[in-house]
Amino acid sequence: QVQLQESGPGLVKPSETLSLTCTVSGGSINTYYWSWIRQPPGKGLEWIGYIYYTGSTSYNPSLQGRVTISVDRSQNQFSLNLTSVTAADTAVYYCAKAGRRFFDWYDPWGQGTLVTVSS
Amino acid sequence: DILLTQSPSSLSASVGDRVTITCRASQTITMGTETYLNWYQQKPGRAPKVLISGAINLQNGVPSRFSGSGSGRDFTLTISSLQPEDFATYYCQQSYTTPRTFGQGTRVDIK
Repeated sequence: QVQLQESGPGLVKPSETLSLTCTVSGGSINTYYWSWIRQPPGKGLEWIGYIYYTGSTSYNPSLQGRVTISVDRSQNQFSLNLTSVTAADTAVYYCAKAGRRFFDWYDPWGQGTLVTVSS
Repeated sequence: DILLTQSPSSLSASVGDRVTITCRASQTITMGTETYLNWYQQKPGRAPKVLISGAINLQNGVPSRFSGSGSGRDFTLTISSLQPEDFATYYCQQSYTTPRTFGQGTRVDIK
């Protein structure tokens, strides 16, 4: 059974880069879509983007080109970089697995990691 | 972007009540015979968990009191008899196109 675990700093300074890694266990990162989704405190869910195991990506235009998602198949991990962060980027960040198809749903999710942007 | 509008935003209900949550999409998310609308349950401090995919398909391990319906732009999540463990926030999500979008959520509280 696939499990996901997010890791990375819990505090990032404004204007710096937020970097998180999602480690996949219990299965291979190959042949699936992998996403990042975030949730500001007390608010709803926002899709950040996905990476397919081949390396192809899609990002939310609302993040205005600040996002990069990459995959390391040798480590069974994928990562998120979000540049030029502001307080508005404070959120719980989740990694999630979709299926083999572009249209598939998210299951499972990581437990989430809170990232606070503050000086 | 496809906007998903859930209603109500919150509701109070008692154990045993029948609960219905609706989700309306700003454009159709049905293509041919498939509909790309998913429902998630989120409890405080926890990650969302998928309940229903493709508008009507109950995920493995999800109690049969949960059901989904709809196609095109209008969708419904129904809990036939609310149980104590069902008090949570529910989100719809479209997987028809990118960017993926979620409804704003419906919080189900104890009356």
